[in-house]
Amino acid sequence: DQQVKQNSPSLSVQEGRISILNCDYTNSMFDYFLWYKKYPAEGPTFLISISSIKDKNEDGRFTVFLNKSAKHLSLHIVPSQPGDSAVYFCAASADNYGQNFVFGPGTRLSVLP
Amino acid sequence: DTEVTQTPKHLVMGMTNKKSLKCEQHMGHRAMYWYKQKAKKPPELMFVYSYEKLSINESVPSRFSPECPNSSLLNLHLHALQPEDSALYLCASSQGTGSNQPQHFGDGTRLSIL
Repeated sequence: DQQVKQNSPSLSVQEGRISILNCDYTNSMFDYFLWYKKYPAEGPTFLISISSIKDKNEDGRFTVFLNKSAKHLSLHIVPSQPGDSAVYFCAASADNYGQNFVFGPGTRLSVLP
Repeated sequence: DTEVTQTPKHLVMGMTNKKSLKCEQHMGHRAMYWYKQKAKKPPELMFVYSYEKLSINESVPSRFSPECPNSSLLNLHLHALQPEDSALYLCASSQGTGSNQPQHFGDGTRLSIL
């Protein structure tokens, strides 16, 4: 049973527009959430995180929103650039999970020039 | 460029071979991790070392044997692997050992078992 879900396997967006990647989770104990980006033949790269005490965290073009009541988070990229084309993984952890991050299945983002 | 270095990048081995995967970080991180990732799947945690001690073993078969010689190095010793063990093996590290510490990944070793 997947605890972290990314229901869109892929997403295509025009360059300069906003990309919105969604993530849902089922475990209410999760209290820390991260987004990773992965290019082919490379390891995942940490992008941005959010603690459950916040509902928004922003870093440059990347903003993560957390809706705890809906157990939903989203990553907004604006403006999208062709270099953003990659697989994006959502991950979650909980105090009682220790260092065990649970990853979603990933969403492949394609930013079209 | 990744600050977590994994060698080799690719490894092909037979089921009777013994080989080792190596991981190194010089960021002063105190926690290191091994993950396994199959194609089109998310990374799955295998082992966690905190302060050079094994703290999590996610029920990994004994044909995978981790070792942490010092705070900068993490090895994964492989013996008698099966074809289904073919995957990308990712090493990661984090500054602390709490659940709110981002993990920084290497580029992985792509392992193929013949």
